[in-house]
Amino acid sequence: DAGVIQSPRHEVTEMGQEVTLRCKPISGHDYLFWYRQTMMRGLELLIYFNNNVPIDDSGMPEDRFSAKMPNASFSTLKIQPSEPRDSAVYFCASSFGQGARRYTFGSGTRLTVV
Amino acid sequence: DAKTTQPPSMDCAEGRAANLPCNHSTISGNEYVYWYRQIHSQGPQYIIHGLKNNETNEMASLIITEDRKSSTLILPHATLRDTAVYYCIVRVYNFNKFYFGSGTKLNVKP
Repeated sequence: DAGVIQSPRHEVTEMGQEVTLRCKPISGHDYLFWYRQTMMRGLELLIYFNNNVPIDDSGMPEDRFSAKMPNASFSTLKIQPSEPRDSAVYFCASSFGQGARRYTFGSGTRLTVV
Repeated sequence: DAKTTQPPSMDCAEGRAANLPCNHSTISGNEYVYWYRQIHSQGPQYIIHGLKNNETNEMASLIITEDRKSSTLILPHATLRDTAVYYCIVRVYNFNKFYFGSGTKLNVKP
C-alpha cells in the first residue's frame, strides 16, 4: 500500500488567496483525520470523518476553514481566505475501525502564507 | 483524556538503550497508554500501546508501573535513525481522538 498520500508537499500562497489541501487515505480505512502542526501549538486535531461523514469539527479554528470528504478515497481541507497565521504543516491520517490504535499519517503539506 | 508529562529532551548514545519516561498520574482505569514518534518533517508514527501489562514489539518495549501512574518507553539499541520527538498519550480505547502533547525530543548521538 502507498500509505496516506497528501498533496501538495509544499504550498506558498499570498494572504487572501484560497488554499486547498488534498488527502488520499489508505484503501479500506474508514476514519480520516486532519491535524495542524505549529511550533507554538504543536499537533492539533482539526476535524475527523467516519465513512465520509464529518463527526467532530470542534478543532476547526474559524469559518475560513472547511473540510470535505466526497468519497472514501479523497478528502480536502480548504482555507478561504488564507492568512499568515495559517502557516503550518497540515497532516492527514487514516485508520480502520472504532478506537483504532494505529493512525497512519501522511507526509504533510507545509503551507506558507505570505 | 488524562494529561501526560514528559521531559522536553533527552540524549542517548548510539547502541545504548533509550529510556523515555512519561507521567500520567490522573489516568483512569479504562485509559490506555500509547506512544508515537515523529521524525523530522514526517508524520507521527505509531510505536506501541498498553493498558497495565508490559508490552514488547519489534520497535520497543513499554513498561507501565503497577499503579499505572507512569510508564517508560524503551528502545533497546538506539540508532541515529531513532532521533525524533516521542509522544506519550493516554486515551480511552474506543475513543477516536488522539491528543498529542509536546513530547520528548530524543537525540541519539554517535
